[in-house]
Amino acid sequence: DAGVIQSPRHEVTEMGQEVTLRCKPISGHDYLFWYRQTMMRGLELLIYFNNNVPIDDSGMPEDRFSAKMPNASFSTLKIQPSEPRDSAVYFCASTPGTALMNTEAFFGQGTRLTVV
Amino acid sequence: QKEVEQNSGPLSVPEGAIASLNCTYSDRGSQSFFWYRQYSGKSPELIMSIYSNGDKEDGRFTAQLNKASQYVSLLIRDSQPSDSATYLCAVSQLTFGKGTKLSVIP
Repeated sequence: DAGVIQSPRHEVTEMGQEVTLRCKPISGHDYLFWYRQTMMRGLELLIYFNNNVPIDDSGMPEDRFSAKMPNASFSTLKIQPSEPRDSAVYFCASTPGTALMNTEAFFGQGTRLTVV
Repeated sequence: QKEVEQNSGPLSVPEGAIASLNCTYSDRGSQSFFWYRQYSGKSPELIMSIYSNGDKEDGRFTAQLNKASQYVSLLIRDSQPSDSATYLCAVSQLTFGKGTKLSVIP
């Protein structure tokens, strides 16, 4: 299996522009997570899905952030409009559907977002 | 709010020594705990998972869990320069500590 695939790997955009990050989870994994990592705040959970349904989006910082999972093999995280403070590394991860809390998360390579 | 606390380091140990990494968590009902290793510019990768009180050993790594004290630790024996990385403590997949940076000096 190719693992969790994220695109793009790097994104530089201007403040106010829309940014879309993409993720393909490992086939057969029922849970998908979006995280954001910064030096100041560490690795934070933004939202997670179970069987394509959003379960907890309490970590989404503002209404400017939205996430969708239209099918089992694809998810997007959108920021509109983007701001410099959104600059971070965004990770997508997936886990099998056996038990959410008891299985490791398999991480994608991340998308490094820079908003100027 | 559920929290996971780690000493940010850096923690420096000589090659061959034991590195001890510590983590405390706030949610007393937590059931699963993970240690991830993250090299600079890379994504986190699982080192150990632990669910029951006591010790769990895997090669040079030992995870220790004390639910009464809400404390998790990771011991790395015979530390190698390749162990130099940031180690993240996680409670389930939902809450991560900020990580401890470990540097193993040759």
